[in-house]
Amino acid sequence: QLVLTQSPSASASLGASVKLTCTLSSGHSSYAIAWHQQQPEKGPRYLMKLNSDGSHSKGDGIPDRFSGSSSGAERYLTISSLQSEDEADYYCQTWGTGIHVFGTGTKVTVL
Amino acid sequence: EVQLVQSGAEVKKPGESLKISCKGSGYSFTSYWIGWVRQMPGKGLEWMGIIYPGDSDTRYSPSFQGQVTISADKSISTAYLQWSSLKASDTAMYYCARHLGGLERHFDYWGQGTLVTVSS
Repeated sequence: QLVLTQSPSASASLGASVKLTCTLSSGHSSYAIAWHQQQPEKGPRYLMKLNSDGSHSKGDGIPDRFSGSSSGAERYLTISSLQSEDEADYYCQTWGTGIHVFGTGTKVTVL
Repeated sequence: EVQLVQSGAEVKKPGESLKISCKGSGYSFTSYWIGWVRQMPGKGLEWMGIIYPGDSDTRYSPSFQGQVTISADKSISTAYLQWSSLKASDTAMYYCARHLGGLERHFDYWGQGTLVTVSS
């Protein structure tokens, strides 16, 4: 079964970096994922597609502070130089034949 | 500019029917899949289903199969999500989003959301 696992929360200080993890279920380590950001009281926004080899393509207007990387079944989103507007929920998404799956989301708090 | 514009908020009673919409512009509507995503109050994103407006090929999440109907009218670049008999548990924000297909099945543009409130 295709499942994405995310930690519920993460925090870091203003100007620091934070690294979020999205883990693919067993047997799905080659899958690409996407990262989406949802700021408070707003709809989701596409950040990037992240492949198993770590290559990624960002959405329109996404700052360079957002980067992605991969290792095995883990997909990472790193936010550098944290800004107050980065305080949000971050969801990973993947897909199989005729299905899509979202992770449970990670809430990022900027201290 | 790519845009997905959803219909406005709805307040309905249990048992009523409802159809909400998502209008695409700024791209070839028939070349992208449109997906629907539910977000219940204070909860995460749940994929409901997708439709390819080019040929109306539709797939549903097992969790939503039989509970909702997804359709599209390519002549007006609009996708729909409908319920025949709403329940209080359908109260949620609903988002549409598009993806290309093949290896590019990430949702790259989202609608602004439609809030559906079902209450007696």
